[in-house]
Amino acid sequence: QKEVEQNSGPLSVPEGAIASLNCTYSDRGSQSFFWYRQYSGKSPELIMFIYSNGDKEDGRFTAQLNKASQYVSLLIRDSQPSDSATYLCAPTGDNFNKFYFGSGTKLNVKP
Amino acid sequence: GAVVSQHPSWVICKSGTSVKIECRSLDFQATTMFWYRQFPKQSLMLMATSNEGSKATYEQGVEKDKFLINHASLTLSTLTVTSAHPEDSSFYICSARDGREAWETQYFGPGTRLLVL
Repeated sequence: QKEVEQNSGPLSVPEGAIASLNCTYSDRGSQSFFWYRQYSGKSPELIMFIYSNGDKEDGRFTAQLNKASQYVSLLIRDSQPSDSATYLCAPTGDNFNKFYFGSGTKLNVKP
Repeated sequence: GAVVSQHPSWVICKSGTSVKIECRSLDFQATTMFWYRQFPKQSLMLMATSNEGSKATYEQGVEKDKFLINHASLTLSTLTVTSAHPEDSSFYICSARDGREAWETQYFGPGTRLLVL
């Protein structure tokens, strides 16, 4: 499978701070990049996706993509304890169909 | 919208038995469904891609004769773990793509925990 690298964490931030989650990928053919959140013992839930270089904002979440550097990130503003979860980065495969998930970054937001 | 269900949510079985897991898209037609496996503290590993009416495409290292996938309709895919052994104990998660969407968003089912004794 394609390589997707994420810092496993845990990343600890205080409530109200900005959490920054990073992901690098090996497949230059990846066109779309998805961020999912997975609570312990649960299945992933979609946060957002990005396909163009630059920033994309959705509420408290901002995804950033730099295809030249093969780097995608997720910023969470005004972090809440309920944001504590594992965040999974998933670039699409070169056939636009498959996801290859990173190992995920565990985020802890402290009240 | 875009709800995916799985059944059962939990299954415990004896070594050597076969277990069938169902994945259903409840409010959309899923042109493609995916099956993943997740071991504790590890990420999701794609097992296979399933398109309605055709044979599943398995990832390298996944035994197609052991993990039988059937995608007989646009709302149902099944994964059968044949002759399950303790090392098959894992969290099995399906996902589905909505054929109406332009993007590759996958909607995940709640997962099935399999414990093989």
